[in-house]
Amino acid sequence: QSVLTQPPSVSGAPGQRVTISCTGSSSDIGAGYDVQWYQQLPGTAPKLLIFGNTYRPSGVPDRFSGSKSGTSASLAITGLQAEDEADYYCQSYDNSLSGWNVLFGGGTKLTVL
Amino acid sequence: EVQLVESGGGLVQPGGSLRLSCAASGFIVSTNDMSWVRQAPGKGLEWVSVIHSGGSPDYADSVKGRFTISRDSSRNMLYLQMNSLRVEDTAVYYCARLHDYYDSSGQPIRPSPIDYWGQGTLVTVSS
Repeated sequence: QSVLTQPPSVSGAPGQRVTISCTGSSSDIGAGYDVQWYQQLPGTAPKLLIFGNTYRPSGVPDRFSGSKSGTSASLAITGLQAEDEADYYCQSYDNSLSGWNVLFGGGTKLTVL
Repeated sequence: EVQLVESGGGLVQPGGSLRLSCAASGFIVSTNDMSWVRQAPGKGLEWVSVIHSGGSPDYADSVKGRFTISRDSSRNMLYLQMNSLRVEDTAVYYCARLHDYYDSSGQPIRPSPIDYWGQGTLVTVSS
């Protein structure tokens, strides 16, 4: 089964820009499946941040943006704020196996310095 | 307002069984794909199972043959029957609603994103 690879951790100072990568393969992101990003604040359930690679649900600040190219996707956060400190997960789909195979990345912990 | 409230978690011995419930409000469970997603302590998210709006289920390989997802339309509930539990099934289990989104050209987003999550219920498998 394929895997979505994220860096375990990233950090940045308030006001800075950080990016989180999500690397897949030709059977998931590279096969044309969309990428979602979820934010999980400490002790809470995940929240949808980006869907369809680049779209933000209502209420998500435009400081958050997503992109996709080839077999990878990225989440960018500009104007970093203390409340952005959380775990971030990418999600896509794998067509290399039978059945319904949703994948999550391993997660990236964002620390605001 | 959409709400998902899980219950049924707890401590169970290896080989035991547990049934998780998810009470949905603000929408009709049978009109959406619904999933269970779990998170082991200190670990990442893992998709467990989905029941499609048409009623067909799918399972992650790690739980196939042991877990059964179901729904009760009359009660607007989602369930996860977990049998032959293993230590590695220990996790917070989230009930989740998948939603159909479309891009600017009208094409559906695939896979369907999860737009609502419950608060989670902890399942601990230990002797």
